[in-house]
Formats: sequence, C-alpha cells, structure tokens
Amino acid sequence: KNQVEQSPQSLIILEGKNCTLQCNYTVSPFSNLRWYKQDTGRGPVSLTIMTFSENTKSNGRYTATLDADTKQSSLHITASQLSDSASYICVVRGGLSNSGYALNFGKGTSLLVTP
Amino acid sequence: SQTIHQWPATLVQPVGSPLSLECTVEGTSNPNLYWYRQAAGRGLQLLFYSVGIGQISSEVPQNLSASRPQDRQFILSSKKLLLSDSGFYLCAWSVRRESGNEQFFGPGTRLTVL
Repeated sequence: KNQVEQSPQSLIILEGKNCTLQCNYTVSPFSNLRWYKQDTGRGPVSLTIMTFSENTKSNGRYTATLDADTKQSSLHITASQLSDSASYICVVRGGLSNSGYALNFGKGTSLLVTP
Repeated sequence: SQTIHQWPATLVQPVGSPLSLECTVEGTSNPNLYWYRQAAGRGLQLLFYSVGIGQISSEVPQNLSASRPQDRQFILSSKKLLLSDSGFYLCAWSVRRESGNEQFFGPGTRLTVL
C-alpha cells in the first residue's frame, strides 16, 4: 500500500532556531517528492521538488534531502522566522491510479515558531 | 500568470441543505482540475479530478458530485449535506502534459455543516 508518513505531527520552536521535518514513504514506483507549505486557512504552496537522482535541494532557508534507497526525505528549516509557522506537507508522486501516477499526501507537520 | 479562485471562502450550512462550491482558473488552457477535502488532523483526500469538459472521475464514493461545464470551471455539489461533509475544500489545477504533475492550489473553502 502506498503510504506517506510524516513526523513529528507537530513542533514548537523558538524564533531563530533550526528544525528538521521527516517524511517516510512506501510509494512505488517512485516519480518525485514535493514539500508543500500550507499557511492556516490557505491552499498549499510548493517549496521544493526532488526526483530520484537528487539528494539535496535548497530554496532559501529551506533545504530538502532525499534518500531514495531508504525512502526517506527531510525538510530542514534554518534560522526560523515567525512566518514559517504553517503546516508542511510531504507529497510523493508514484504508485498507479486511474489517472496514471498518483499523488500520495502525508498528513503534514504543524510547525509553530514562537518569539 | 495563472491564478485560481474559489468561492465562497467560508460557508455554514444546515444538514440536508444543498451545496455548490465553485472554482475557476485563469491564465491557462486545458488544465487538469482537482477537488480535495482536508479534514481536521488528516491529510488531503482527493475527491474528484477532471481532464476536460464534462469528464469527471471520482476517487472515493461519497455524498458529493462534481461538474466541469467550462474548460476552466470546476464545481463541487451536493443535494443534501451531511455532518461528515464539514471540512476544508481545496481546488487545484495542473498542466495536462502528464498526470501527477505539480498541482497549484486555490485558497480553499471552509465548510461547516451544522
């Protein structure tokens, strides 16, 4: 069964600190992995996309890693800001559905950055 | 540039009442369109997707239906709402080149059924 598991479920950190969010998946075959940021009451916005051959990709203070062998990804946030408070969703494209490759969504990690 | 709109932003409806949520996309043609529901503490659940006018596929059996009367318009409906229909409804679009491509999400509609 294609699953995407994220941890921790929620996280509280102080402004300026770093944090790492985890995503483990069992999706097969694998196509790509995206991290989305979803502000409260808004739609998700893509942060990064990782393909099978990519190990690390950065987008400003966000750095995503991918280990396709162990089927794990992480999202590292450096020097957190209050505006980083949001839900971070890991989405793995892969597996098969009626529409071809499916998007498999994690439940998200809720991050709260406090002053 | 492309934009996606959803309305209303919030909605409170009694059980048994009808529902109509609208989604429109601007700045692109022939997009794939999607409806998702996000319940509290749960991940996004794909409800419907459409690859063209009048072409609707349902991912899960439910109380809802979808229609695509125009290329860039996607409507989510129900004849009689249930309490379990409460949630955050997101519309999304993607380029039709291939399925599962990056999806761009709308601002969402918060539906509360009382």
